[in-house]
Amino acid sequence: DQQVKQNSPSLSVQEGRISILNCDYTNSMFDYFLWYKKYPAEGPTFLISISSIKDKNEDGRFTVFLNKSAKHLSLHIVPSQPGDSAVYFCAARVYNQGGKLIFGQGTELSVKP
Amino acid sequence: GAVVSQHPSRVICKSGTSVKIECRSLDFQATTMFWYRQFPKKSLMLMATSNEGSKATYEQGVEKDKFLINHASLTLSTLTVTSAHPEDSSFYICSARGTHLTGTGTSILDIQYFGAGTRLSVL
Repeated sequence: DQQVKQNSPSLSVQEGRISILNCDYTNSMFDYFLWYKKYPAEGPTFLISISSIKDKNEDGRFTVFLNKSAKHLSLHIVPSQPGDSAVYFCAARVYNQGGKLIFGQGTELSVKP
Repeated sequence: GAVVSQHPSRVICKSGTSVKIECRSLDFQATTMFWYRQFPKKSLMLMATSNEGSKATYEQGVEKDKFLINHASLTLSTLTVTSAHPEDSSFYICSARGTHLTGTGTSILDIQYFGAGTRLSVL
């Protein structure tokens, strides 16, 4: 049972345009949602997060939107740069379980010059 | 800051041997570390939560005797794959629970910092 889903395995975007990565979840016991970025042969690195009580968090070119009623969140990257090409994982933190995270399957973003 | 080192990055072993993977938090203390396994094109699957000084908590379906976890200090957790078989071949990643100071400088978020992973190939 996949509690966190990223239904798009890949996304290709032109440099300078907006990249939108989507994530859906089923469990209401998540208190934080996080996005991680992963390059090949490296571990995931933390990118941005959002509390379940917020609907938007912005950090530079990265903005995460949360729609609790739809159990959906998205990561917007604008403008996209070739260096953003990586696999992006959506993760949800389980409330009161010692920081445990549930990850989505990842979306591979390719930003073309 | 918040660097996690995982060693080795790649290991090839014969079936039946045991392999130890180390995970170290280099510049912070981590009372909690996590071990994940990732299959190709798949999500990171949590195997176990490792707490310093106590027994690890394993996820459902993960064999405790197969995947031995030791968290003897605040900066080191180890995963030993015992009597490895070809089906154990996978990418194993550890993470350490730490804090992240957000851009405002006033908010601290409890997040996981990841090692670079270990590619295990069992022949």
